[in-house]
Amino acid sequence: DVKVTQSSRYLVKRTGEKVFLECVQDMDHENMFWYRQDPGLGLRLIYFSYDVKMKEKGDIPEGYSVSREKKERFSLILESASTNQTSMYLCASSLDLNGYTFGSGTRLTVV
Amino acid sequence: RKEVEQDPGPFNVPEGATVAFNCTYSNSASQSFFWYRQDCRKEPKLLMSVYSSGNEDGRFTAQLNRASQYISLLIRDSKLSDSATYLCVAGDTGGFKTIFGAGTRLFVKA
Repeated sequence: DVKVTQSSRYLVKRTGEKVFLECVQDMDHENMFWYRQDPGLGLRLIYFSYDVKMKEKGDIPEGYSVSREKKERFSLILESASTNQTSMYLCASSLDLNGYTFGSGTRLTVV
Repeated sequence: RKEVEQDPGPFNVPEGATVAFNCTYSNSASQSFFWYRQDCRKEPKLLMSVYSSGNEDGRFTAQLNRASQYISLLIRDSKLSDSATYLCVAGDTGGFKTIFGAGTRLFVKA
């Protein structure tokens, strides 16, 4: 089974801090994704990547950036954390876009 | 209007019941469709893809109606372990920009 690992389960950061969320997958998948999940809103796509160094904006990229220097690793960066970025962040990986495998998520609280 | 809409529930059903969830999507260009289940405080996991001809996986049956832009999931003989939130998903032509519904909560009781 594909394993998608997110580095932190819970994270608390201060407003204005730069925050790095890391995601690693172990099955050589080309495609990786970052979502945030908020109650009543479902999962919303922040960024995705279909190859090393390639990235595309999703539906809500404002305030975020990403980095994909190696195929197995896709990092989400909050340039200057704000309280409205408090959320559950989910990383996903996919071989053929026929379904995703998600990591267990990082619950980020910005205070 | 949300791009993928689901009844949030909760649906409370007894063990052994048959329960059906519905979902509508607004983008007529959507090409791929899925159901995921998400347990409390866990990540979503792929339950099944949804095909135009309909498809079945054990107790689960998924249907797609492109004309009405409507997706359904039927669970027969509900088990306690089926208690979860079920997420309806519609993907664009490229498959990268999938839209998730907010989910339907199911509680199966003994």
